[in-house]
Amino acid sequence: DAKTTQPNSMESNEEEPVHLPCNHSTISGTDYIHWYRQLPSQGPEYVIHGLTSNVNNRMASLAIAEDRKSSTLILHRATLRDAAVYYCILPIQGAQKLVFGQGTRLTINP
Amino acid sequence: DGGITQSPKYLFRKEGQNVTLSCEQNLNHDAMYWYRQDPGQGLRLIYYSQIVNDFQKGDIAEGYSVSREKKESFPLTVTSAQKNPTAFYLCASSIRGGVTVGEQFFGPGTRLTVL
Repeated sequence: DAKTTQPNSMESNEEEPVHLPCNHSTISGTDYIHWYRQLPSQGPEYVIHGLTSNVNNRMASLAIAEDRKSSTLILHRATLRDAAVYYCILPIQGAQKLVFGQGTRLTINP
Repeated sequence: DGGITQSPKYLFRKEGQNVTLSCEQNLNHDAMYWYRQDPGQGLRLIYYSQIVNDFQKGDIAEGYSVSREKKESFPLTVTSAQKNPTAFYLCASSIRGGVTVGEQFFGPGTRLTVL
C-alpha cells in the first residue's frame, strides 16, 4: 500500500466536530482512500472512501486535498460512541487486501 | 440480517493443540479474509480467498491453514507450529476478489488464548 501517516492519538469533546488527518504523499493517481474505524474489542467498521472529490455519508465526510497527498475524515458532531481507532488505508492495487497501520486513537470527552 | 459470524468469541487452548476458528457469511460475497491483531497493533493479513476452492497466503501465514470448500465458510486452523498464537482473530469478506475499492465487512472476532 502507499504509506499513510496518522497521529497516534487525538482528543475531542462530545458534540464538537472532529478532524482526523492522514498524509499519503506517495499516493498514485488511481489509489482510493479508505477509512475504517475499530471500536474496543470489535472488528473494524467501514466508514467512507473516496478518490478525488469530497465525499459525504451518514457517518462522516471525507475531505481530499487537491493534490491528493492528504485527506481529512470529519465527524461533524462527535458522540461518545465515536471513540475508536481510526485507520486511513490506501489499498494495494490488484492485491485486494487492506493493510492496517496503527491508526489514530480518538478519545471523546463528555 | 446479512453479516459475518465468528465463533466462539473467546477460545482457550493448551499449548501444542490445533484449534479451528469458524467464519461464516451470508452476504453472498466471493472474497473472504483472515486477519490477526495483537494488542495495540493494527491488523495483519493471514490468508485470503477470492473464490471457492482457492486461497492465497497473506503476510503472516506460517503456522496457519485454511480451507474454502463453500462460499459461505472460511475456517482458520491455528496449528501447533504457530509460535505465538494468542491474539484477536478477525474474519472479513468483500463482494468479489481482485477489487481494491469499497467495503470489507468484518466479523466480531475471536479472542484466542493459548495457555
